[in-house]
Order: sequence, then C-alpha cells, then structure tokens
Amino acid sequence: GNSVTQMEGPVTLSEEAFLTINCTYTATGYPSLFWYVQYPGEGLQLLLKATKADDKGSNKGFEATYRKETTSFHLEKGSVQVSDSAVYFCALPINAGGTSYGKLTFGQGTILTVHP
Amino acid sequence: NAGVTQTPKFRVLKTGQSMTLLCAQDMNHEYMYWYRQDPGMGLRLIHYSVGEGTTAKGEVPDGYNVSRLKKQNFLLGLESAAPSQTSVYFCASSSRRQTGTGGSEQYFGPGTRLTVT
Repeated sequence: GNSVTQMEGPVTLSEEAFLTINCTYTATGYPSLFWYVQYPGEGLQLLLKATKADDKGSNKGFEATYRKETTSFHLEKGSVQVSDSAVYFCALPINAGGTSYGKLTFGQGTILTVHP
Repeated sequence: NAGVTQTPKFRVLKTGQSMTLLCAQDMNHEYMYWYRQDPGMGLRLIHYSVGEGTTAKGEVPDGYNVSRLKKQNFLLGLESAAPSQTSVYFCASSSRRQTGTGGSEQYFGPGTRLTVT
C-alpha cells in the first residue's frame, strides 16, 4: 500500500518566519495528496489538497506542490502567525483505486509552535 | 450544515464499564471511520464502514465494536473499558465519489476525550 513519511518536529518559529514541513510519499499511480491541520482541542480539518502531478494546493497562505519526480508534497508558508500553531498531517489514500474505500494513511504529525 | 458531530465530548469511565460513542454526519457520505489518537502514535484506524449495515476492521480493532444501522450514524462501543483505551477518539466520513485521480478527503468530527481509570 501507499505510505507517507513526514518531518516530525516539533517546529518552533518566531512570528513572520518562513515555514517548511517536509512530506514524502510512496504510492502506486498518482493519488490525491492532502495536508490536514489540527488546532488545539479540535478535530482534523483539511488545509489543502492536490489531485495531480504539478498541482499546487493553497489555503490560508499555505502552499504545497505535488512533485512526482521527488515524490514530495512539502508544506510551506512565507510568514507564519501565532494562530498557525497547530499539528499538521500529510496524508494520501492507502492504495490505488476503489479498494481504498476512502481510507487515508497519515503521517505522524508535526507540531508547530509560533511565538510572538 | 453541521458536518460531522460526536457525542459525548468528554467521558471518564472506570475499568470494566461500557459505553457507546455516537458519530453523526449530514453530508450523505457513504464511508465512515473511527480513529484513536494517542501522543506519538498519530491517528490509528479502529473500524470503518463502507455503507449502511456494513462494518470492517481497521488497524487496531480489538476491544471495540461498531454498528452502522443508519447511513448517517456510526457507533463505537467499548464493552469492557481498559486503561489502554484512554485516548481521543475521532470520527470521520468521506464520499465514495473520487477526487481527481483518486482519493476523497475525509471530514472529521471534533473528537471525544475518553479517560479510563
């Protein structure tokens, strides 16, 4: 099945710093790729996604580009805010096609703390 | 549109007690999932369902049972709670319709924090 390796961190940054969280994957074919964010005390919510190679997903100032050459989907933000403090998860379907039944495999999560 | 809701939000059980966690979704999704989240372990799939009346085991099913009698509801039961089941439980749902080349995003509930003493 597919798998994902995510930079675990934790990552601590000052406000307005540049953020990169690395995510690499192993997959059959070209599945959709996802970044989820979990704010303290809440459930996971979809941050952005990319559905095909070279696609760039973006939301709330975050971006990630689907790179099939390097099998990567790194998350970036040019200027982080205190409100971005959260846990970030990279994810993709567990395998190709309809047999996944929507199941996703998640990275271990990266804790981001942003200080004023 | 409430999305995915979970009840209760918090619960404390004594070892050996039983309880049921309720998950409800109003998006008419076919697929539903139960996860547990523990520090340093990420998300682990307990059970899932691909439709009304069907359930299947995930990665860590022991000690849990599930039922999906209605499409919008997915129940997780603990028959005899153990301290090892202290965790945060998340329910999620997704549509059978594929997104792009494959794979639909999941929508998560707010979680239930369970402590077993």
